[in-house]
Amino acid sequence: DTGVSQDPRHKITKRGQNVTFRCDPISEHNRLYWYRQTLGQGPEFLTYFQNEAQLEKSRLLSDRFSAERPKGSFSTLEIQRTEQGDSAMYLCASSLEGGPYEQYFGPGTRLTVT
Amino acid sequence: GENVEQHPSTLSVQEGDSAVIKCTYSDSASNYFPWYKQELGKGPQLIIDIRSNVGEKKDQRIAVTLNKTAKHFSLHITETQPEDSAVYFCAASRTGTASKLTFGTGTRLQVTL
Repeated sequence: DTGVSQDPRHKITKRGQNVTFRCDPISEHNRLYWYRQTLGQGPEFLTYFQNEAQLEKSRLLSDRFSAERPKGSFSTLEIQRTEQGDSAMYLCASSLEGGPYEQYFGPGTRLTVT
Repeated sequence: GENVEQHPSTLSVQEGDSAVIKCTYSDSASNYFPWYKQELGKGPQLIIDIRSNVGEKKDQRIAVTLNKTAKHFSLHITETQPEDSAVYFCAASRTGTASKLTFGTGTRLQVTL
């Protein structure tokens, strides 16, 4: 399967714990995006990378969130000191710089903070 | 920033009927409009997209129309089938340096037998 993959698919954590999610994009895609989706809503943009450079961060991304893409391939999203409000589906997508502009999404990581 | 509104929030049609979902956007610089289908527990799946230099695009039973002047675009599904039941999202973006997608709030489509 050459699509976007995410790991883990589900994560249950206690409030105050740190969690880290991984995304592997489609191999030739140099753009990688993180979105967050809460129940009944559309995905909301969090941040994106072009190769290893993080080019934009949403105001939704508090200082407890950090994302990396160290070698321009896979990416990690870490949430420190989780809060109940962080419970959501975290989606990763990838695309090619310069077009075509289609973003392909992974299956997501569902985070539940208890 | 961009704001995308989507209607209706739920839509129930009988198998074989057509379904139409409408979206409006606020940023006149947006030039790329994809539609995604999301099934329960899965990530969004791109089903069709349209760019601002095109007024209509068709792919088998699905079509999308774009009215740049009015800043609205629509998804049309003909001959609906039970497997079309899902949540559909429209989105808008500016292609280029920052091509983040702004999504609508989704339409839950139910195709009944």
